Formats: sequence, structure tokens, C-alpha cells
Amino acid sequence: NAGVTQTPKFRVLKTGQSMTLLCAQDMNHEYMYWYRQDPGMGLRLIHYSVGEGTTAKGEVPDGYNVSRLKKQNFLLGLESAAPSQTSVYFCASSLRQGVGYTFGSGTRLTVV
Amino acid sequence: ILNVEQSPQSLHVQEGDSTNFTCSFPSSNFYALHWYRWETAKSPEALFVMTLNGDEKKKGRISATLNTKEGYSYLYIKGSQPEDSATYLCAFQTGANNLFFGTGTRLTVIP
Repeated sequence: NAGVTQTPKFRVLKTGQSMTLLCAQDMNHEYMYWYRQDPGMGLRLIHYSVGEGTTAKGEVPDGYNVSRLKKQNFLLGLESAAPSQTSVYFCASSLRQGVGYTFGSGTRLTVV
Repeated sequence: ILNVEQSPQSLHVQEGDSTNFTCSFPSSNFYALHWYRWETAKSPEALFVMTLNGDEKKKGRISATLNTKEGYSYLYIKGSQPEDSATYLCAFQTGANNLFFGTGTRLTVIP
């Protein structure tokens, strides 16, 4: 049972480049989330999804887009990367509201 | 943006000591309070989710309490062991399916 898998684990982008981060879960969870972790700050929610085909904005959505075409996958896209998007990105999933989240191992992204 | 505060920021204790941390959160629009354990180079791992005022949860030597009226939760570790060394995160959940995380308490247990 793999849980939540994030790819890639590391990436360096140049300003203006685009990329997609993939999150895959094999637990049949309805809810999926993308967070970013920055020094001195708590995890902040970028976007989330409450089911296949649905997405919603979180606390810091600007500069990111997401898609949930399949229940098990949640993609985070950066259309034109900026240095301010240098961060560690975590994907998480949960079966429903009010239960603990299962997190992936993170993607460390550097934008130069 | 909701403010979730954890104290202390970091803590060093001797093996065998008991310790506790605090999580403060807004007392309005409460849905749930989460605690996570985050070891270095790993992912956050869920410890507890509490939803009712007065809730107490326990897992081995770790326990947590919840006071939603005054907006705080305590996490207790009894007889700390080196393997308890980690960052402990709390997160406040509103009804809008949004989880607001604190910055964590970093615990180091000295053998």
C-alpha cells in the first residue's frame, strides 16, 4: 500500500518555465489537497478537491492551477514559475472531513 | 487567514521526562482540531483528530485534550523517548474544509 505518492521529489526551474506536480493516492480517498511549506510558516493550502472533477481554491491559490480528472490523481500546475514559488510542496488526502490527512513525502521546488 | 499558534517553538527534554505543548486557535467556526507528528525527512503523520469540546485522545504515551470554548489544545508525552523527537503540528479545521496549520513545536529528546 503506497499511500500518497508525489513526483518529482526535486526540481529546479527557471523563471517563466512551467511544470506539473503529480500526486497519486491508492486509498480511494475523496478529498485531496496541495500545501506549500515555507520557512517560519505553517503549511498553507493552495488548492483542494472534494471529489473527482472538482477543485477549489485554498489560502494561497495565485499562480497555480489544479486538475482532478481521476479520483486517485491530483495535479498541481505552475504556468509561469516565479522565485516566490520556491517552496516544498506537499500533497495530502483524506477519506472525508474530520479525519486525519495522509501526506506525501513532498516535492522540493526551486525557481531561479 | 486564521491564526494558529503553538508554543513553545522548540523544546529539549531528557529521556524519561514528561512534556506538553500548547496549540491556540480561534474559538469560533470550529470543526475539528488535528495533531500531526513530523519526523525529519518524512511526511507529517496524523496523531489525533478531535471534534468535541472536552475530547481527550490517547495513543500509547501520547495524549491530547481539547477546549473549544477557550480555543486551546494540549499534547502530552509521558516518559519521552529519543524516538519521540519530531516536530508536532496542530491544525485548526473550519467547517469550510480548510485546515490551518501552526508552525509546530520541535521536540528533541536527549538520551
